[in-house]
Amino acid sequence: EAGVAQSPRYKIIEKRQSVAFWCNPISGHATLYWYQQILGQGPKLLIQFQNNGVVDDSQLPKDRFSAERLKGVDSTLKIQPAKLEDSAVYLCASSLSTGGGYNEQFFGPGTRLTVL
Amino acid sequence: AQSVTQPDIHITVSEGASLELRCNYSYGATPYLFWYVQSPGQGLQLLLKYFSGDTLVQGIKGFEAEFKRSQSSFNLRKPSVHWSDAAEYFCAVGNAGNMLTFGGGTRLMVKP
Repeated sequence: EAGVAQSPRYKIIEKRQSVAFWCNPISGHATLYWYQQILGQGPKLLIQFQNNGVVDDSQLPKDRFSAERLKGVDSTLKIQPAKLEDSAVYLCASSLSTGGGYNEQFFGPGTRLTVL
Repeated sequence: AQSVTQPDIHITVSEGASLELRCNYSYGATPYLFWYVQSPGQGLQLLLKYFSGDTLVQGIKGFEAEFKRSQSSFNLRKPSVHWSDAAEYFCAVGNAGNMLTFGGGTRLMVKP
């Protein structure tokens, strides 16, 4: 079974530029998550999708970050314009949605963003 | 709100020695608890999880963890550490809405 795919793996941009990350979840997983992991910290949830609807985006800096999952499968996360403090690893995860209890999240390899 | 504290930022142990990584959580109900490992340049790999039942859970790579409700703790242990265990370890708490909150991580270094 293929895992969560993310691209690109690495990205270097200058501040005020824009950048986009792509995630393809495990087939059949209805729930998709984007996390930000700043160096030396644990991952922080940015946004959670259930199919193509947003479940939680309370920690997404909406003035510069946006995310979409138009067909309920792939997702993109965009930053525009980027700031130095956005340098981090962006992790995508997916899980089944069985309607009760907790469903294990499976993580992709992440995209390491460096903002100069 | 749920939260996780990992008091030790760095731990160094000798190869073959035992290991215990500490984790304390804050959550209003019975928590879903996890330990993940992250090697350099790699994604997060689930080591073990606790949902209910036996408070001592076994995971992959010889790791185990014990849930202690009275201490709000979920410490990770391994009886004999291998050099390949050097990595960053994250404790996390989840809720029924499938939201995970991670601790700050503990970086494990293994001396030969």
